[in-house]
Amino acid sequence: DAGVIQSPRHEVTEMGQEVTLRCKPISGHDYLFWYRQTMMRGLELLIYFNNNVPIDDSGMPEDRFSAKMPNASFSTLKIQPSEPRDSAVYFCASSIGGFRNIQYFGAGTRLSVL
Amino acid sequence: AQSVTQPDIHITVSEGASLELRCNYSYGATPYLFWYVQSPGQGLQLLLKYFSGDTLVQGIKGFEAEFKRSQSSFNLRKPSVHWSDAAEYFCAVGALTGGGNKLTFGTGTQLKVEL
Repeated sequence: DAGVIQSPRHEVTEMGQEVTLRCKPISGHDYLFWYRQTMMRGLELLIYFNNNVPIDDSGMPEDRFSAKMPNASFSTLKIQPSEPRDSAVYFCASSIGGFRNIQYFGAGTRLSVL
Repeated sequence: AQSVTQPDIHITVSEGASLELRCNYSYGATPYLFWYVQSPGQGLQLLLKYFSGDTLVQGIKGFEAEFKRSQSSFNLRKPSVHWSDAAEYFCAVGALTGGGNKLTFGTGTQLKVEL
């Protein structure tokens, strides 16, 4: 398997623009997690899905952030409108059976909002 | 709610020297504990995990960690560090709080290895 695939690897956008980050989990994994990593706050869980259903979105910072998982092989994280403070590395991870099993991380998307 | 503290932001060791990275957790019940490693430009990779049983757990790449309930610690160790171990290391605690299934990560320790 190719692992967790995220796209794009790098995204530079201007404040106010819509940003969409994409993730393809490992086939057969039933959990999908979105994290954000910044120098100030470290690695934060934003939201996670189980069998395509959002379970906990308490980490989503505000209404400008939304995430979807239309099927088992694809998820998106959308920021609309984007702000400079959203600049961070966003990771997607997937696992079988939740955190007690290994979470496999993608390489991340580095987002810069100017 | 669970929390993790990694008191050392940066650590520098010489190649071949031993290594210990500290991790303290806060959680009301028996924790699920993890160590992950992140190489530059990469995602995180699991080194090892502890759920129950033997308090000394072995992981990949020659790493081990010891769970000490009395000290609320889960320190990561390696007897002899290799230059390729230079990376950022994250301790994490997992909890089934509120029906959830989530990890809380520490802020990480950046390891530099001097040749």
